Amino acid sequence: KAGVTQTPRYLIKTRGQQVTLSCSPISGHRSVSWYQQTPGQGLQFLFEYFSETQRNKGNFPGRFSGRQFSNSRSEMNVSTLELGDSALYLCASSLGDRDGNEQFFGPGTRLTVL
Amino acid sequence: AQSVTQLGSHVSVSEGALVLLRCNYSSSVPPYLFWYVQYPNQGLQLLLKYTTGATLVKGINGFEAEFKKSETSFHLTKPSAHMSDAAEYFCAVRKGIGNQFYFGTGTSLTVIP
Repeated sequence: KAGVTQTPRYLIKTRGQQVTLSCSPISGHRSVSWYQQTPGQGLQFLFEYFSETQRNKGNFPGRFSGRQFSNSRSEMNVSTLELGDSALYLCASSLGDRDGNEQFFGPGTRLTVL
Repeated sequence: AQSVTQLGSHVSVSEGALVLLRCNYSSSVPPYLFWYVQYPNQGLQLLLKYTTGATLVKGINGFEAEFKKSETSFHLTKPSAHMSDAAEYFCAVRKGIGNQFYFGTGTSLTVIP
């Protein structure tokens, strides 16, 4: 089975721009979660989608949004980029239908905001 | 809310020495517990998980962890460190289906030759 894929792997944007990141989960996985990883803050949970519905949401401003499509692929959008948005954005997929389901992570998208 | 505490953001061990990475969680109900490893410029990879049953869990690469409910701990150990074990390690907890994962802040493991 192919793993979780994220595109693009690297992005450079300037302040004020917007960006869309994409995540393709493992086949059969219906849950997709997004995390922001920075050296000082560790992994910060953004949101989780399950069967096209947002199931959980972290404490991020409304500039961060996401969606999930019927094939479970997910996109994350960040509008009006700020310097502090520079981070590694990780996507994780899971079957999502049982308590002990683990998450499988993609390699991440490295976003740099100038 | 769940929380996960990893004591020691940086741990150094000599090659061949015992590896012990600490994880404590706060939970009102027995959670599901996970350890992940992250190598540079990569995503996280599952090392092991505890769901139910045996409290001593064995994972990949010789790692194991023991769930101790009375201590609310899930420490990760490996009897003999290898150079390839140098990485960032994350403990995570999940209360149950429909709930998000909560990750600790990570422990960077350095292995000294």
